Amino acid sequence: KNEVEQSPQNLTAQEGEFITINCSYSVGISALHWLQQHPGGGIVSLFMLSSGKKKHGRLIATINIQEKHSSLHITASHPRDSAVYICAVRSGGSNYKLTFGKGTLLTVNP
Amino acid sequence: DVKVTQSSRYLVKRTGEKVFLECVQDMDHENMFWYRQDPGLGLRLIYFSYDVKMKEKGDIPEGYSVSREKKERFSLILESASTNQTSMYLCASSFRGSGNTIYFGEGSWLTVV
Repeated sequence: KNEVEQSPQNLTAQEGEFITINCSYSVGISALHWLQQHPGGGIVSLFMLSSGKKKHGRLIATINIQEKHSSLHITASHPRDSAVYICAVRSGGSNYKLTFGKGTLLTVNP
Repeated sequence: DVKVTQSSRYLVKRTGEKVFLECVQDMDHENMFWYRQDPGLGLRLIYFSYDVKMKEKGDIPEGYSVSREKKERFSLILESASTNQTSMYLCASSFRGSGNTIYFGEGSWLTVV
């Protein structure tokens, strides 16, 4: 069973700061997802990656397969980035099963 | 835009009631999922369906059943609701295959009293 650990659990930042959220997993994967959940529930997929790096606007996601580690970076953070960020991994050989981290609650103050 | 729609946003039900949570997706996805989300536990898979009438148990299927009669619709059924099923329920869908994005509904907050 794949274990997914996120750090930190909670993160408070000032507007404009550079933010990093980390995700480590224990066994080989075929894909890793970064998800965003705003208060009220709905979850949005930010990235899906299996190698290297992806960028979308102020968000950057990287993954190191050898070290079983991924990071989500937010540049020039803004209060609207306040949300729970969730890492989820799909184990190699599984068509569908995702294992989720417990999430990182990010609060960005103006 | 992909849309995953959950029929009820907030429900309050009594212990022992039969509860139906409905989910519809509009992107012809093969895979559909029901998760529950609880504080400190993250998302846990209840059931998964990879095709019409096909289903597989997830990590916590006890006390739940599902129905998928049409490709776009996946229903979660609580046969006899109990207070420990008070939770946030999230439906999701994706195309088959490991390299596909997963799309979530807005969630259904169920309180069993």
